[in-house]
Amino acid sequence: QVQLVESGGGVVQPGRSLRLSCAASGFTFSSYAMHWVRQAPGKGLEWVAIISSDGSKKYYADSVKGRITISRDDSKNTVYLQMNSLRAEDTAVYYCARGQYGGVTTVWGQGTLVTVSS
Amino acid sequence: DIQMTQSPSTLSASVGDRVTITCRASQSVSNWLAWYQQKPGKAPKLLIYKASSLESGVPSRFSGSGSGTEFTLTISSLQPDDFATYYCQQYDTYSYTFGQGTKLEIK
Repeated sequence: QVQLVESGGGVVQPGRSLRLSCAASGFTFSSYAMHWVRQAPGKGLEWVAIISSDGSKKYYADSVKGRITISRDDSKNTVYLQMNSLRAEDTAVYYCARGQYGGVTTVWGQGTLVTVSS
Repeated sequence: DIQMTQSPSTLSASVGDRVTITCRASQSVSNWLAWYQQKPGKAPKLLIYKASSLESGVPSRFSGSGSGTEFTLTISSLQPDDFATYYCQQYDTYSYTFGQGTKLEIK
């Protein structure tokens, strides 16, 4: 079945880096754009980044621009989120999601929790 | 960036009620508007895309309308499974902004 599984979350100190991974299965990964969306504890959803199906286009939320990089490896059916210079406000559950219909997200992973704390 | 504002923030209703949630955009997003449902501890689920298109498998009691800057999500007859938080999202620009959410509670 169609599935997305995130990994790589954990506790990290402010200023450090972390890379999240999202493994896809059950669909033709290379045909879809992929998103990352985050949700701080008890808060709403915040879109973070998108990468196009061919990897040529990447867009970011202003709140993470310059600190976060999205990438994909179609040979591994995996999308990544490299997060640098982490701040306390980056603490959240990070979801990867499949893009469809021109920009919405139709399939989501279960999320991985990132906690930025000293 | 385009700002999305939902109202109300919290809505109390009973099973069988008809409820409407409103989402307003700070500038026109045409009909590039989606609605999601999220239950505690779970990932969001797409309900509506392109303002009024029902995602496959979503019950027909859910409907969306609107264009430009004002949109609504209507649930025609609330079921127990519908008590959750609902988010709108614009995808007109590459900022994909979400609204702040509307929590639908049991009265």
